[in-house]
Amino acid sequence: GENVEQHPSTLSVQEGDSAVIKCTYSDSASNYFPWYKQELGKGPQLIIDIRSNVGEKKDQRIAVTLNKTAKHFSLHITETQPEDSAVYFCAARPPNNDMRFGAGTRLTVKP
Amino acid sequence: ETGVTQTPRHLVMGMTNKKSLKCEQHLGHNAMYWYKQSAKKPLELMFVYNFKEQTENNSVPSRFSPECPNSSHLFLHLHTLQPEDSALYLCASSQDPLAGGGNEQFFGPGTRLTVL
Repeated sequence: GENVEQHPSTLSVQEGDSAVIKCTYSDSASNYFPWYKQELGKGPQLIIDIRSNVGEKKDQRIAVTLNKTAKHFSLHITETQPEDSAVYFCAARPPNNDMRFGAGTRLTVKP
Repeated sequence: ETGVTQTPRHLVMGMTNKKSLKCEQHLGHNAMYWYKQSAKKPLELMFVYNFKEQTENNSVPSRFSPECPNSSHLFLHLHTLQPEDSALYLCASSQDPLAGGGNEQFFGPGTRLTVL
């Protein structure tokens, strides 16, 4: 089955700097890669996703890149703000199968 | 209410108690999920229901018993739990991805369970 690894487990950046979180997956058939943000006391919320027919997607300060050959994808947050502090999860979904999640990255943005 | 709601938000129970977690979705979805979230571990998929039928049980111990009476409600019945079952239990819903629906899963806020 699919196996997703996520790094780093914790990340601390200064406000205004960029943050990058990386994930690798094992099943080359996976075709959907969402990123979720989980704030304290809340469930995960989708912030951006990418499908396997696209190499990059951007939404304001958030971007995701996908390298199908290397089977890895990354989340990029630019101009970080304190409200970006949360736990971020990546996931990968093979066709006709359920999503598998990474272990999460706790991002802290220091004012 | 909108989205996915879960009750209770917090639950403390002894190992001999019986309790139930409730999830309700107001999104018109037909697939519902139970996940277990433990510290520093990936979300663990426990059960999946599509159109009220259970389609996946990821080798979950029988002390966890799911129930899906309709496509909007999902329960997780708990009995004789162990301290290692303490975790955040998350419910999610989506359109049925196997029927060509969207992939996005919408999560509830979770129930923080502590087993003493």
